[in-house]
Amino acid sequence: QVQLQESGPGLVKPSETLSLTCTVSGGSIDYYYWNWIRQSPGKGLEWIGCVYYSGTTNYNPSLKSRVTMSVDTSKNQFSLKLSSVTAADTAVYYCARDRLPYQNLYLFDPWGQGTLVTVSS
Amino acid sequence: EIVLTQSPGTLSLSPGERATLSCRASQSVSSSYLAWYQHKRGQAPRLLIYGASSRATGIPDRVSGSGSGTDFTLTISRLEPEDFAVYYCQHYGSLLTFGGGTKVEI
Repeated sequence: QVQLQESGPGLVKPSETLSLTCTVSGGSIDYYYWNWIRQSPGKGLEWIGCVYYSGTTNYNPSLKSRVTMSVDTSKNQFSLKLSSVTAADTAVYYCARDRLPYQNLYLFDPWGQGTLVTVSS
Repeated sequence: EIVLTQSPGTLSLSPGERATLSCRASQSVSSSYLAWYQHKRGQAPRLLIYGASSRATGIPDRVSGSGSGTDFTLTISRLEPEDFAVYYCQHYGSLLTFGGGTKVEI
Protein backbone atom coordinates (compact mmCIF):
# COMPACT_ATOMS: atom_id res chain seq x y z
CA GLN A 1 0.00 0.00 0.00
CA VAL A 2 0.97 3.64 -0.33
CA GLN A 3 3.37 4.90 2.32
CA LEU A 4 4.60 8.42 2.97
CA GLN A 5 7.83 9.47 4.65
CA GLU A 6 8.80 12.99 5.66
CA SER A 7 12.44 14.09 5.64
CA GLY A 8 14.34 17.26 6.38
CA PRO A 9 16.26 19.14 9.07
CA GLY A 10 14.99 18.75 12.60
CA LEU A 11 16.34 22.12 13.68
CA VAL A 12 15.88 25.44 11.92
CA LYS A 13 17.04 28.86 13.08
CA PRO A 14 14.56 31.70 13.56
CA SER A 15 13.98 33.80 10.43
CA GLU A 16 15.27 31.01 8.18
CA THR A 17 13.32 28.73 5.85
CA LEU A 18 12.00 25.34 6.90
CA SER A 19 12.26 22.78 4.08
CA LEU A 20 10.69 19.33 4.14
CA THR A 21 10.21 16.61 1.56
CA CYS A 22 7.66 13.80 1.53
CA THR A 23 8.56 10.66 -0.41
CA VAL A 24 5.71 8.52 -1.68
CA SER A 25 6.29 4.80 -2.04
CA GLY A 26 4.03 1.93 -3.07
CA GLY A 27 2.04 4.07 -5.48
CA SER A 28 2.18 6.94 -7.91
CA ILE A 29 1.98 10.60 -6.99
CA ASP A 30 -0.16 11.16 -10.08
CA TYR A 31 -3.80 12.27 -9.90
CA TYR A 32 -3.84 13.02 -6.17
CA TYR A 33 -3.73 16.07 -3.91
CA TRP A 34 -0.86 15.98 -1.44
CA ASN A 35 -1.06 17.81 1.87
CA TRP A 36 1.04 19.13 4.71
CA ILE A 37 -0.42 19.25 8.22
CA ARG A 38 1.30 20.20 11.46
CA GLN A 39 0.74 19.87 15.17
CA SER A 40 2.48 22.21 17.58
CA PRO A 41 3.31 20.90 21.06
CA GLY A 42 0.13 20.65 23.09
CA LYS A 43 -2.00 22.07 20.29
CA GLY A 44 -4.33 20.84 17.63
CA LEU A 45 -3.86 19.80 14.03
CA GLU A 46 -3.39 22.60 11.52
CA TRP A 47 -3.65 22.14 7.76
CA ILE A 48 -0.84 24.01 5.99
CA GLY A 49 -1.73 23.46 2.38
CA CYS A 50 -1.78 21.06 -0.54
CA VAL A 51 -0.29 20.53 -3.96
CA TYR A 52 -1.85 18.63 -6.85
CA TYR A 53 0.35 16.35 -8.93
CA SER A 54 0.10 18.91 -11.71
CA GLY A 55 1.64 21.56 -9.45
CA THR A 56 -1.52 23.48 -8.55
CA THR A 57 -1.41 24.65 -4.94
CA ASN A 58 -3.84 25.72 -2.22
CA TYR A 59 -2.61 27.19 1.06
CA ASN A 60 -4.05 27.95 4.48
CA PRO A 61 -4.74 31.71 4.38
CA SER A 62 -3.07 32.15 7.77
CA LEU A 63 0.24 30.82 6.39
CA LYS A 64 -0.09 31.65 2.72
CA SER A 65 2.42 34.49 2.68
CA ARG A 66 5.18 32.18 3.93
CA VAL A 67 4.37 28.82 2.28
CA THR A 68 5.55 27.31 -0.97
CA MET A 69 4.73 23.75 -2.03
CA SER A 70 5.96 21.88 -5.06
CA VAL A 71 5.87 18.41 -6.54
CA ASP A 72 8.48 16.31 -8.37
CA THR A 73 6.65 13.52 -10.16
CA SER A 74 9.88 11.99 -11.46
CA LYS A 75 11.00 11.36 -7.89
CA ASN A 76 7.50 10.69 -6.47
CA GLN A 77 8.09 13.47 -3.97
CA PHE A 78 6.49 16.70 -2.89
CA SER A 79 7.92 19.46 -0.77
CA LEU A 80 7.13 22.20 1.71
CA LYS A 81 8.99 25.44 2.29
CA LEU A 82 7.98 27.74 5.13
CA SER A 83 9.88 31.00 5.30
CA SER A 84 10.68 33.40 8.14
CA VAL A 85 10.07 30.79 10.81
CA THR A 86 9.66 31.60 14.49
CA ALA A 87 9.36 29.46 17.60
CA ALA A 88 5.62 29.28 16.89
CA ASP A 89 6.43 27.12 13.87
CA THR A 90 7.92 24.40 16.08
CA ALA A 91 5.74 21.38 15.41
CA VAL A 92 5.49 17.86 14.13
CA TYR A 93 4.95 18.15 10.39
CA TYR A 94 2.95 15.46 8.60
CA CYS A 95 2.45 14.81 4.93
CA ALA A 96 -0.77 13.15 3.84
CA ARG A 97 -2.62 12.21 0.68
CA ASP A 98 -6.21 13.08 -0.13
CA ARG A 99 -8.13 9.82 -0.04
CA LEU A 100 -9.50 9.85 -3.59
CA PRO A 101 -7.82 10.82 -6.87
CA TYR A 102 -8.78 14.02 -8.66
CA GLN A 103 -10.61 15.35 -5.59
CA ASN A 104 -9.47 17.95 -3.07
CA LEU A 105 -11.72 16.87 -0.21
CA TYR A 106 -9.24 17.33 2.64
CA LEU A 107 -9.90 13.75 3.72
CA PHE A 108 -6.47 12.46 4.56
CA ASP A 109 -5.46 8.86 3.94
CA PRO A 110 -2.71 7.81 4.33
CA TRP A 111 -0.43 9.99 6.45
CA GLY A 112 3.28 9.93 7.09
CA GLN A 113 4.46 9.33 10.64
CA GLY A 114 5.58 12.93 10.99
CA THR A 115 8.83 14.74 11.63
CA LEU A 116 9.56 17.12 14.48
CA VAL A 117 10.94 20.47 13.44
CA THR A 118 12.23 22.73 16.18
CA VAL A 119 12.84 26.41 15.56
CA SER A 120 15.63 27.60 17.79
CA SER A 121 18.91 29.45 17.60
CA GLU B 1 -16.02 28.87 10.88
CA ILE B 2 -17.15 25.52 12.24
CA VAL B 3 -15.73 24.54 15.62
CA LEU B 4 -15.62 20.86 16.58
CA THR B 5 -15.60 20.13 20.30
CA GLN B 6 -14.63 16.66 21.39
CA SER B 7 -15.52 15.14 24.74
CA PRO B 8 -14.37 13.88 27.04
CA GLY B 9 -10.80 15.09 26.87
CA THR B 10 -9.60 11.83 28.35
CA LEU B 11 -11.40 8.51 28.64
CA SER B 12 -9.99 5.96 31.08
CA LEU B 13 -11.13 2.43 30.27
CA SER B 14 -9.96 -1.17 30.33
CA PRO B 15 -9.54 -3.65 27.48
CA GLY B 16 -12.86 -5.24 26.61
CA GLU B 17 -14.87 -2.17 27.61
CA ARG B 18 -16.90 0.02 25.27
CA ALA B 19 -15.60 3.46 24.31
CA THR B 20 -17.97 6.22 23.30
CA LEU B 21 -16.39 9.43 21.99
CA SER B 22 -18.34 12.57 21.19
CA CYS B 23 -17.76 15.27 18.57
CA ARG B 24 -20.07 18.27 18.63
CA ALA B 25 -20.13 20.89 15.87
CA SER B 26 -20.87 24.57 16.50
CA GLN B 27 -23.35 24.49 13.61
CA SER B 28 -25.05 21.77 11.64
CA VAL B 29 -22.72 20.01 9.22
CA SER B 30 -23.27 17.50 6.49
CA SER B 31 -22.64 14.00 7.79
CA SER B 32 -21.12 13.28 4.43
CA TYR B 33 -18.07 15.22 5.53
CA LEU B 34 -17.35 14.02 9.06
CA ALA B 35 -14.29 11.83 9.66
CA TRP B 36 -12.50 10.23 12.58
CA TYR B 37 -8.78 9.51 12.90
CA GLN B 38 -6.73 7.47 15.35
CA HIS B 39 -3.29 8.70 16.35
CA LYS B 40 -0.70 6.86 18.36
CA ARG B 41 2.42 8.69 19.51
CA GLY B 42 5.22 8.43 16.98
CA GLN B 43 3.01 6.85 14.36
CA ALA B 44 1.12 8.08 11.34
CA PRO B 45 -2.44 9.14 12.08
CA ARG B 46 -4.92 6.66 10.60
CA LEU B 47 -8.27 7.34 8.99
CA LEU B 48 -10.95 5.27 10.72
CA ILE B 49 -14.30 6.64 9.59
CA TYR B 50 -15.45 8.97 6.83
CA GLY B 51 -18.89 10.14 5.85
CA ALA B 52 -19.74 9.87 9.57
CA SER B 53 -20.26 6.11 9.43
CA SER B 54 -18.22 4.49 6.64
CA ARG B 55 -15.22 2.49 7.80
CA ALA B 56 -11.94 3.07 6.00
CA THR B 57 -10.05 0.15 4.51
CA GLY B 58 -8.88 -2.37 7.09
CA ILE B 59 -10.80 -0.91 10.02
CA PRO B 60 -12.49 -3.65 12.10
CA ASP B 61 -16.25 -3.65 12.55
CA ARG B 62 -15.95 -3.08 16.30
CA VAL B 63 -15.20 0.52 15.31
CA SER B 64 -18.28 2.45 14.24
CA GLY B 65 -19.36 6.00 13.64
CA SER B 66 -22.77 7.60 13.84
CA GLY B 67 -24.52 10.91 14.10
CA SER B 68 -25.87 13.80 12.13
CA GLY B 69 -26.42 17.53 12.36
CA THR B 70 -24.23 18.73 15.20
CA ASP B 71 -23.67 15.53 17.19
CA PHE B 72 -21.42 12.70 16.10
CA THR B 73 -20.14 9.63 17.93
CA LEU B 74 -17.28 7.21 17.51
CA THR B 75 -17.85 3.90 19.26
CA ILE B 76 -15.36 1.12 19.85
CA SER B 77 -17.44 -1.79 21.07
CA ARG B 78 -14.69 -3.81 22.78
CA LEU B 79 -11.40 -2.10 23.37
CA GLU B 80 -8.30 -3.97 22.28
CA PRO B 81 -4.84 -2.98 23.58
CA GLU B 82 -4.05 -1.36 20.22
CA ASP B 83 -7.05 0.97 20.54
CA PHE B 84 -5.51 3.09 23.28
CA ALA B 85 -4.65 6.27 21.41
CA VAL B 86 -5.83 9.79 20.67
CA TYR B 87 -8.87 10.19 18.42
CA TYR B 88 -9.70 13.25 16.34
CA CYS B 89 -12.85 14.15 14.50
CA GLN B 90 -12.62 16.30 11.39
CA HIS B 91 -14.97 18.12 9.11
CA TYR B 92 -13.71 17.99 5.53
CA GLY B 93 -14.92 19.12 2.16
CA SER B 94 -15.26 22.84 1.60
CA LEU B 95 -14.66 23.64 5.28
CA LEU B 96 -11.75 21.94 6.98
CA THR B 97 -11.50 21.79 10.74
CA PHE B 98 -10.25 19.34 13.36
CA GLY B 99 -11.52 18.66 16.83
CA GLY B 100 -9.19 18.92 19.79
CA GLY B 101 -8.96 15.18 20.35
CA THR B 102 -9.96 12.59 22.94
CA LYS B 103 -7.30 10.44 24.58
CA VAL B 104 -8.37 6.89 25.33
CA GLU B 105 -6.12 5.54 28.05
CA ILE B 106 -5.92 2.46 30.19
